[in-house]
Amino acid sequence: RKEVEQDPGPFNVPEGATVAFNCTYSNSASQSFFWYRQDCRKEPKLLMSVYSSGNEDGRFTAQLNRASQYISLLIRDSKLSDSATYLCVVNPGYNFNKFYFGSGTKLNVKP
Amino acid sequence: DAGVTQSPTHLIKTRGQHVTLRCSPISGHKSVSWYQQVLGQGPQFIFQYYEKEERGRGNFPDRFSARQFPNYSSELNVNALLLGDSALYLCASSHRVEDVGETQYFGPGTRLLVL
Repeated sequence: RKEVEQDPGPFNVPEGATVAFNCTYSNSASQSFFWYRQDCRKEPKLLMSVYSSGNEDGRFTAQLNRASQYISLLIRDSKLSDSATYLCVVNPGYNFNKFYFGSGTKLNVKP
Repeated sequence: DAGVTQSPTHLIKTRGQHVTLRCSPISGHKSVSWYQQVLGQGPQFIFQYYEKEERGRGNFPDRFSARQFPNYSSELNVNALLLGDSALYLCASSHRVEDVGETQYFGPGTRLLVL
């Protein structure tokens, strides 16, 4: 079983739509969680950290459900510029800062 | 401030050759991690170095090796290249390694093609 699993998509949505991505992780002892965004042929860039209490940054909301071992990302009022691959990232936190990445969910926002 | 830098940006090699990839972390960051990203997949962890010591190793063969220098820059070496080594190699830096919530910042990567 993979450490982190995501629906690969693609999610094709019109501008202004609300879209949600989910991600599950296998290690219940995992310590920290992130969403990264990766544009085509570019490096991953941090979108937001995910906290147990949930957190919001503008149009983006991240939630963590430790009991069910899943992480979600909600994007409201989608923009064309949101088109990218969204990577779910988990740090199991053994004794060093190692990231496990999901395969990514591709989002296409259409005009 | 400059971000993570990597060189070269692109590289073409043939099977059996070796390659050295280089990374300079963000100023003040002491930890460097290397990841391999094959097309259509998320990055896979290869190594992490902190204060010039290897702190973690992923599930990669011994053909892969790395080191970190006193100035915290790092090299990734891959020997006896295989076609399957073709990938984007990403370097990430972070300030410390013990803080599990520490964010990692990625460089632009080196795109390696093995023919």
